[in-house]
Amino acid sequence: EVQLVESGGGLIQPGGSLRLSCAASGFTVSSNYMSWVRQAPGKGLEWVSVIYSGGSTYYADSVKGRFTISRDNSKNTLYLQMNSLRAEDTAVYYCARGGGGGFDFDYWGQGTLVTVSS
Amino acid sequence: DIQMTQSPSSLSASVGDRVTITCQASQDISNYLNWYQQKPGKAPKLLIYDASNLETGVPSRFSGSGSGTDFTFTISSLQPEDIATYYCQQYDNLPPTFGQGTKLEIK
Repeated sequence: EVQLVESGGGLIQPGGSLRLSCAASGFTVSSNYMSWVRQAPGKGLEWVSVIYSGGSTYYADSVKGRFTISRDNSKNTLYLQMNSLRAEDTAVYYCARGGGGGFDFDYWGQGTLVTVSS
Repeated sequence: DIQMTQSPSSLSASVGDRVTITCQASQDISNYLNWYQQKPGKAPKLLIYDASNLETGVPSRFSGSGSGTDFTFTISSLQPEDIATYYCQQYDNLPPTFGQGTKLEIK
């Protein structure tokens, strides 16, 4: 059974850093496109970043230069390193597996809440 | 970025009704269009991929159609458990972008 379990969210001050983790089971993270998608409170869905099976990475303009996506194949885990956090980064962060098309997100984690506030 | 415009933003319907949501892309996205259902406090769930393909395990009352810039999502007979917010999403170009969502309520 495919499962994605996020962790690492919490309350952080503006300018701070946080690393989110997404532990996968039932499939191999490195064999799929893996994305982070976020949702601000009461708002819609916003794609954040992707790491391709080949290792290439891409980011939304809103996080480029501040966030870094990576994976640890030995742990079958996806990460999102978030630096220079801003109030507008406050959101539930989901990791999501890309299906056959890469960006048809067929499995999602339960989400982890990141709150950026002083 | 490709803009995705969903309508309506909210919708009230009765059990058994046929419900239709539309999604318009700001440019041609071929059939690279997905539909998701999100219930409160839960992660989104993929219902339709590539505009018209039903994800495994999703009830057949859900369907999708369209190509190019105009897409339609339909629930043929609304059930109480279908109360949720629905999102379209394009992935023809990076970044993948979502519509603003359609909140579906029971009348």
